[in-house]
Amino acid sequence: AQSVTQLGSHVSVSEGALVLLRCNYSSSVPPYLFWYVQYPNQGLQLLLKYTTGATLVKGINGFEAEFKKSETSFHLTKPSAHMSDAAEYFCAVTRTAGTALIFGKGTTLSVSS
Amino acid sequence: ETGVTQSPTHLIKTRGQQVTLRCSSQSGHNTVSWYQQALGQGPQFIFQYYREEENGRGNFPPRFSGLQFPNYSSELNVNALELDDSALYLCASSARQGEKLFFGSGTQLSVL
Repeated sequence: AQSVTQLGSHVSVSEGALVLLRCNYSSSVPPYLFWYVQYPNQGLQLLLKYTTGATLVKGINGFEAEFKKSETSFHLTKPSAHMSDAAEYFCAVTRTAGTALIFGKGTTLSVSS
Repeated sequence: ETGVTQSPTHLIKTRGQQVTLRCSSQSGHNTVSWYQQALGQGPQFIFQYYREEENGRGNFPPRFSGLQFPNYSSELNVNALELDDSALYLCASSARQGEKLFFGSGTQLSVL
């Protein structure tokens, strides 16, 4: 069975600081990994995804994530936080394209000025 | 703007009632999935439809059912509502299975 663990339900950073949101997964097969962002009263928006190939994945809004198989991790980073990055972030895993996404519980990112 | 519209945005029902939630996908999106997001949790997969046939289901009882129509709209029906059904219900569509999912803003269901 597949599962996702997001470490830290709430992360607070100052504007301009590094953002690091942690995600570890469990999968018996090579996983497809995703990060989604959810702003208040909105649906989920795809930030980036890893399927195969290059392990460092760049997404929208300056975010990137690195797939580390040995650590079963897919942490999300952004060099410099912006106030508009404040939102809920979800890591998700699936075993093949087109199958159900399994989400973590989410991490709320707060950005202070 | 994802092009996926859900209605209603909010709904209040009482235990034991039935509810129908609606989703309108982008034209050409043949795959639609429904997810349940309880407060403080990540979304959980309910089921997926492809060309009007259910082709995947999560760990939800049969009282959760769905329909997909040729006009790219779909429904989620829940019978015999329970208090634990209170959640945000998200619809997501894609042009083909495995392609990028576009999520709607969800329907917030409260069961009293």
